[in-house]
Amino acid sequence: DTAVSQTPKYLVTQMGNDKSIKCEQNLGHDTMYWYKQDSKKFLKIMFSYNNKELIINETVPNRFSPKSPDKAHLNLHINSLELGDSAVYFCASSQGLGTSGGAGYNEQFFGPGTRLTVL
Amino acid sequence: GESVGLHLPTLSVQEGDNSIINCAYSNSASDYFIWYKQESGKGPQFIIDIRSNMDKRQGQRVTVLLNKTVKHLSLQIAATQPGDSAVYFCAENHTGRRALTFGSGTRLQVQP
Repeated sequence: DTAVSQTPKYLVTQMGNDKSIKCEQNLGHDTMYWYKQDSKKFLKIMFSYNNKELIINETVPNRFSPKSPDKAHLNLHINSLELGDSAVYFCASSQGLGTSGGAGYNEQFFGPGTRLTVL
Repeated sequence: GESVGLHLPTLSVQEGDNSIINCAYSNSASDYFIWYKQESGKGPQFIIDIRSNMDKRQGQRVTVLLNKTVKHLSLQIAATQPGDSAVYFCAENHTGRRALTFGSGTRLQVQP
């Protein structure tokens, strides 16, 4: 069973289009995240949600809008796609967040990634 | 500002040797650190974590060392295997911040 799944795995689209990436976790975790990994492999947090509530929005353009219909899902919608949006987007989840908690509490489980290419 | 970085972008080792991957951080408030392994085409995978009240933690074939004095973190892999070839990331968190800050990654290449 896949713990954190994302669809689609590859997404190729034209500049200006609107697209969505879906993420689901079956781990029963309370916290979910979206990360962007650029061509140099640098991973940067975009959003985090805890129990469907937005916790972190790391200066991401308004064109990016996360939506969490329930605790197990965190989808990412992107409007008016730009060339610079081309990257691999990773969804992740963890039982908790912050630095408290016992062993494994903060471990983030990552999905397989969605490679977005904007032409 | 906050930053988490790595000394070596690529590390090449012979199979069976021990590997050491280093990481420097600048935020003195960092109190939680994680190492992740990312294989080609996959998402990062948790390896081991350590809190700032410890200076060493061991897992299966891996050891993380934390030196808070010089803000340095290292991952030691014993008897490196071809399956260890991947990009390794250190990441940090600190109380009050609810997300990880990742370093830039080190590629480990294991020569058979």
